[in-house]
Amino acid sequence: LAKTTQPISMDSYEGQEVNITCSHNNIATNDYITWYQQFPSQGPRFIIQGYKTKVTNEVASLFIPADRKSSTLSLPRVSLSDTAVYYCLVERGNDYKLSFGAGTTVTVRA
Amino acid sequence: GAGVSQSPSNKVTEKGKDVELRCDPISGHTALYWYRQSLGQGLEFLIYFQGNSAPDKSGLPSDRFSAERTGGSVSTLTIQRTQQEDSAVYLCASSSGLAGAEQFFGPGTRLTVL
Repeated sequence: LAKTTQPISMDSYEGQEVNITCSHNNIATNDYITWYQQFPSQGPRFIIQGYKTKVTNEVASLFIPADRKSSTLSLPRVSLSDTAVYYCLVERGNDYKLSFGAGTTVTVRA
Repeated sequence: GAGVSQSPSNKVTEKGKDVELRCDPISGHTALYWYRQSLGQGLEFLIYFQGNSAPDKSGLPSDRFSAERTGGSVSTLTIQRTQQEDSAVYLCASSSGLAGAEQFFGPGTRLTVL
């Protein structure tokens, strides 16, 4: 599976937009990009998944350029409750394993 | 149930003892996964079940670790002769089993080996 690289940490303030970019240079044709969120003492929670271009749901947007070698998770107007670790994953379309890196710790301040 | 449940939520044991961790997946989910998360680290894949079969056990760290799933539902992860390096949070997840399907995680079991 393609290795992913994302920043270790990011700080933000309430009401701001947070963008986390993940690099996955060796992504394969049938790989998906998925983001999970994890709060302390909880299991990860699925946020969004995409293959190319842009995907938006009620929580976030995912931007994937044409070469798919990176992706950007966008969290609009963050609140204190968005403080969490965000994981970027590359999933093989015909496989099942999730490979989690260290993730990005996002801290939202008042 | 409404989500994936795990028990116990916390387990403290002495080095050398055996422990059993339980996972109850979401009803109807055919796929079940075990992961391990050490303090401040990402998740480490351990094993995957499709129904009662475990086609991939490659993530199990040693032969002290084993897992089974019965009736296509509940799964038990067993660690024999626990070592201090086994201390971690053990997370279980389930999914519909379709490729790329969202995995739903339980709250985890925090294992501390003294």
